[in-house]
Amino acid sequence: QSVLTQPPSVSAAPGQKVTISCSGSGSNIGNNYVSWYQQLPGTAPRLLIYDNNKRPSGIPDRFSGSKSGTSATLGITGLQTGDEADYYCGTWDSSLTVVVFGGGTRLTVL
Amino acid sequence: QVQLQESGPGLVKPSEPLSLTCSVSGDSITSFYWTWIRQPPGKGLEWVANIYYRGTTNYNPSLKSRVTISVDTSTNECSLEVSSVTAADTAVYYCARAHSWNGYMDVWGKGTTVTVSS
Repeated sequence: QSVLTQPPSVSAAPGQKVTISCSGSGSNIGNNYVSWYQQLPGTAPRLLIYDNNKRPSGIPDRFSGSKSGTSATLGITGLQTGDEADYYCGTWDSSLTVVVFGGGTRLTVL
Repeated sequence: QVQLQESGPGLVKPSEPLSLTCSVSGDSITSFYWTWIRQPPGKGLEWVANIYYRGTTNYNPSLKSRVTISVDTSTNECSLEVSSVTAADTAVYYCARAHSWNGYMDVWGKGTTVTVSS
């Protein structure tokens, strides 16, 4: 059971938009920055979003992040088949004193 | 361009120790924090520990009694040791660069697979 809660799967058609939610509590999302990672099949995770809504260089602006209270959301627009991957949210948990991740969301582009 | 390369034994017997190394190129090990994250087969990510070159360490409380993280500035490497492994330690182990002791990981290695089996 993960500390952060994500939907197990989401799906949408190519070109469409999808959002992935990440729910936590005051000891983690509520008081710390959230980051998002993309893990393509058989590869290592890659940083997509940091500090709630910032994109590293090289990440297209189709990817966006937001945070409100104890929840965060990853948005992906203009879906491509190459976006099919597992997506993880992560943040520091001040009570557990550990970086925690969500259980991951598998995105299927139909 | 920063690159991280993990290495390890591949197969470890139960109750034996596990030693992993992360070789850092394109950046100095004296910059940033260096982190180990693991991923059991078919499961999600688990943060294990991180370290700053001056010796500041942070451990996952669930693993702290069995894990030791260290850096070698002369070889630009970060190492992780796990004592007395069990099947539950079977995972892909990733090395990653973190921007703070509690922050995001922006560069990841490709990972090294560790299987615990007799």
